[in-house]
Amino acid sequence: DAKTTQPNSMESNEEEPVHLPCNHSTISGTDYIHWYRQLPSQGPEYVIHGLTSNVNNRMASLAIAEDRKSSTLILHRATLRDAAVYYCILRGRYKRGSQGNLIFGKGTKLSVKP
Amino acid sequence: KAGVTQTPRYLIKTRGQQVTLSCSPISGHRSVSWYQQTPGQGLQFLFEYFSETQRNKGNFPGRFSGRQFSNSRSEMNVSTLELGDSALYLCASTSGTSGTLYYNEQFFGPGTRLTVL
Repeated sequence: DAKTTQPNSMESNEEEPVHLPCNHSTISGTDYIHWYRQLPSQGPEYVIHGLTSNVNNRMASLAIAEDRKSSTLILHRATLRDAAVYYCILRGRYKRGSQGNLIFGKGTKLSVKP
Repeated sequence: KAGVTQTPRYLIKTRGQQVTLSCSPISGHRSVSWYQQTPGQGLQFLFEYFSETQRNKGNFPGRFSGRQFSNSRSEMNVSTLELGDSALYLCASTSGTSGTLYYNEQFFGPGTRLTVL
């Protein structure tokens, strides 16, 4: 199963944009890039996902490199509520014998300063 | 729609005992996955069920088992508890068919906090 690499922590100021990077050099052609975040004392929650093209939703934007070996989660205006651990995960088609599921790394702990 | 529910929310057991945790997915979701979260190892995948069949299994000993019922509710069981089994156990459900699960969103429950003394 392909792995992802993220910085351990990042800091941002409130109301400023945040760019959270993720490297996934072993991504395969059918792997989707998912981002989840986990607020303190809660289960993870979905943020966004994409395959090849950049994606936008109400929470964030996902910028995917042309070679798909890296991606960036963009929070356009960080708020204090965005302080969480952000996980970048690859998920591919089901293959018997593989974990095939959401393999969470350590994630990036985002701190937001007022 | 109600979210994913897990019971109980908190549990205290002693070494050697066994425990059963329950997860009710979002209505209409046929896939349920289980994860273990500890401070040292982070979030680790345990197993995934789809329509009562186990599709994937993580690298955990056989003491960890699970099942899924026809109404998609799932249980996981840990036998012969060890201190290292103390963790937050998370359940997640996913909508879609077996071929679309990998690009659909997973919805997580609040977790069951298990403490083994």
